[in-house]
Amino acid sequence: AQSVTQPDIHITVSEGASLELRCNYSYGATPYLFWYVQSPGQGLQLLLKYFSGDTLVQGIKGFEAEFKRSQSSFNLRKPSVHWSDAAEYFCAVVAPMSRDDKIIFGKGTRLHILP
Amino acid sequence: KAGVTQTPRYLIKTRGQQVTLSCSPISGHRSVSWYQQTPGQGLQFLFEYFSETQRNKGNFPGRFSGRQFSNSRSEMNVSTLELGDSALYLCASNGQGYNEQFFGPGTRLTVL
Repeated sequence: AQSVTQPDIHITVSEGASLELRCNYSYGATPYLFWYVQSPGQGLQLLLKYFSGDTLVQGIKGFEAEFKRSQSSFNLRKPSVHWSDAAEYFCAVVAPMSRDDKIIFGKGTRLHILP
Repeated sequence: KAGVTQTPRYLIKTRGQQVTLSCSPISGHRSVSWYQQTPGQGLQFLFEYFSETQRNKGNFPGRFSGRQFSNSRSEMNVSTLELGDSALYLCASNGQGYNEQFFGPGTRLTVL
């Protein structure tokens, strides 16, 4: 079965600094990959997704992610964070060719921004 | 276009009671998914409904059930509540499957 790991539970960066959130997946073929953001008291918002094609994916709010098959990774990046980026970020995977095609979420990474 | 609506937003119940949560998807969306979010287990998929039929189901006990109506509104029910059922329950409105999934704000259930 597919799985997804977000190794960092908490990450703290200074406002204006660059950001990279890690995501590793386990699946035999190329999965569908997603990054979601959840602000306090809110539901999830889709930042970006990868299904196929160009391995560098652009999303909303200035985020991007790169699919690296050799590393089974789909890390989220942002060149310069803003205080409003403080939230929890979830990586998710779907196994499109599996009978079990439920979406599986990572445990999340909580991002803290220092002024 | 109106977003995903979940009612109620907050709910307090006691052990042994049952609860029903409601989700109204985005107009035109025929699929609704439900998730449970807890600090310990994270986000876990409960079930998905499409055109009134359950299309997929997560690994939850039979106390968790759901249904979808002809207008695509969905309800989930939890019977015989346990303390561990305290969670944020999220509903997602699905357009083209996971390619277009919009989440509601959730219902915060507290079981005392």
